[in-house]
Amino acid sequence: KNEVEQSPQNLTAQEGEFITINCSYSVGISALHWLQQHPGGGIVSLFMLSSGKKKHGRLIATINIQEKHSSLHITASHPRDSAVYICAVSVQGGSEKLVFGKGTKLTVNP
Amino acid sequence: NAGVMQNPRHLVRRRGQEARLRCSPMKGHSHVYWYRQLPEEGLKFMVYLQKENIIDESGMPKERFSAEFPKEGPSILRIQQVVRGDSAAYFCASSPTGGDSPLHFGNGTRLTVT
Repeated sequence: KNEVEQSPQNLTAQEGEFITINCSYSVGISALHWLQQHPGGGIVSLFMLSSGKKKHGRLIATINIQEKHSSLHITASHPRDSAVYICAVSVQGGSEKLVFGKGTKLTVNP
Repeated sequence: NAGVMQNPRHLVRRRGQEARLRCSPMKGHSHVYWYRQLPEEGLKFMVYLQKENIIDESGMPKERFSAEFPKEGPSILRIQQVVRGDSAAYFCASSPTGGDSPLHFGNGTRLTVT
């Protein structure tokens, strides 16, 4: 079993819909990252959080440390949101490396 | 204010050749991380470096792969005697202080071994 699991693997939505992508992890963490990878391949860091909730524009990320679960929400989705969204965790214990989920491929149709 | 710069964007090598991938971190960043994304797989950590030091290379294959981050110049990921299984996208990220500071990623180098 992977240390970081994302669901769904693929998600298709209509423009304007509210999107939720989930991430569960099985290890102790010091932080959780949400990343966006566009079809061209570049990776952008969206959020880094260790507790609570963060918001940036139409994107909201939440984390529940006790349940080892995080969600990424996109409000009023748009075709330009189409990308792969990746959850990654910094494992507690001094290691600097990230452990990644396999990503959720989001397609938003006009 | 340039972001993390990786070059080349695309690299084609024949089996047995050497591949050298370069990463210039953001200005002021002294922590560099290399990750590999194999086709149809997720990203995997390879190595974490600070200037002139390898901090964690637990994700590096034991043979043929090496990394450096010299006092001057970019970080280099070097793959000797490449094989087809090395074909992947290699991403570099940098941060100012390590720990849990936000990461900034480069656009990656796509290595194809023919």
